[in-house]
Amino acid sequence: DAEITQSPRHKITETGRQVTLACHQTWNHNNMFWYRQDLGHGLRLIHYSYGVQDTNKGEVSDGYSVSRSNTEDLPLTLESAASSQTSVYFCASSRDNYEQYFGPGTRLTVT
Amino acid sequence: GNSVTQMEGPVTLSEEAFLTINCTYTATGYPSLFWYVQYPGEGLQLLLKATKADDKGSNKGFEATYRKETTSFHLEKGSVQVSDSAVYFCALSDRDTGRRALTFGSGTRLQVQP
Repeated sequence: DAEITQSPRHKITETGRQVTLACHQTWNHNNMFWYRQDLGHGLRLIHYSYGVQDTNKGEVSDGYSVSRSNTEDLPLTLESAASSQTSVYFCASSRDNYEQYFGPGTRLTVT
Repeated sequence: GNSVTQMEGPVTLSEEAFLTINCTYTATGYPSLFWYVQYPGEGLQLLLKATKADDKGSNKGFEATYRKETTSFHLEKGSVQVSDSAVYFCALSDRDTGRRALTFGSGTRLQVQP
């Protein structure tokens, strides 16, 4: 069955370190998204991509970057982790009908 | 810009009670509307959707009607079960602007007691 996976599921890192969160989907969806979930804020958009070599900034993109070298993967990199980036991160993908499918999430703690 | 406002939770109900979770939106275009559900420790799952005015989305006993005149998409269920305990998110996408990302409300936690 097609699916979307994220790894790792849990990560603890220190302030200042670079961290990469993986997202992989097997639906062959063009669109992929990264959100962060924080209490009281719902999900907020970090970065998104509409296809290979396409990346765009969302509302909370500072301190994050993405790259899209193939259809299946959209890794999210925290260039220099900060305590404010402690959160749960969700990856999602969609075709052009706007219905998104979400991964299981990565819980990141920055100490 | 686009925004979604949901009623704050938690909402605590007894089993078989009637559920309403309010959702209103602001959008620059003509959005599609969604309800997602998140069970503890899991990602979000699409519960139902509506793409045009007066459409009713339904799934698993839940319903929501797209009301353009009141810019609302309230979630209802006639008889909740303990297994419905979860966090519910209202969301929109704005096709007119070409924006395919979703704008989410802050979520409403539902707790159903036996």
